[in-house]
Amino acid sequence: NAGVMQNPRHLVRRRGQEARLRCSPMKGHSHVYWYRQLPEEGLKFMVYLQKENIIDESGMPKERFSAEFPKEGPSILRIQQVVRGDSAAYFCASSPRRGGGINEKLFFGSGTQLSVL
Amino acid sequence: GENVEQHPSTLSVQEGDSAVIKCTYSDSASNYFPWYKQELGKRPQLIIDIRSNVGEKKDQRIAVTLNKTAKHFSLHITETQPEDSAVYFCAASPPTRNSGYALNFGKGTSLLVTP
Repeated sequence: NAGVMQNPRHLVRRRGQEARLRCSPMKGHSHVYWYRQLPEEGLKFMVYLQKENIIDESGMPKERFSAEFPKEGPSILRIQQVVRGDSAAYFCASSPRRGGGINEKLFFGSGTQLSVL
Repeated sequence: GENVEQHPSTLSVQEGDSAVIKCTYSDSASNYFPWYKQELGKRPQLIIDIRSNVGEKKDQRIAVTLNKTAKHFSLHITETQPEDSAVYFCAASPPTRNSGYALNFGKGTSLLVTP
């Protein structure tokens, strides 16, 4: 089992460009979560998705940020018109089922470090 | 929403000593409390977790205690080793939110174990 795969590991963008971060969950996992980590901060929840559905996006900024998890392929976190404040590590996590059950442990990917120049 | 406070932010101990990290949470409905270890530049990894129906759980040198009444939980590492050096995050999970699930993390404790 390859674990949660994120790419790219590092992404450099200039202000105003678009950033696309990809996440492939662990095999057999159908629930994906995106978190943002700022320097010396904890992980902040952004969005929770299942295949083809956004379940909870209460932690995601209303503008410029979007996420999807299509039927085929990885989950994508998209940031349009990036600004310097978007610079952070973005982590994806997956679980086999919705939280609240016995076996809903989250497994994290290695993250994408986004740097906005 | 849930607010998780974690202390201390940094902790330095000598090899062989014990380390204790404490967290408090605000939502009394939270029922799942995992701890993650993150080494520099690496992914957070689950090291131990506890549910609200259990007061204490131990796994070799690591133990977690939960006080539901006081809404706090702690991580205890005994016989620390240099490889325990990392940032440790506590988290709390309220029950379903909008049919979703999201861990709320503390800001982390940077643990340094010196030989």
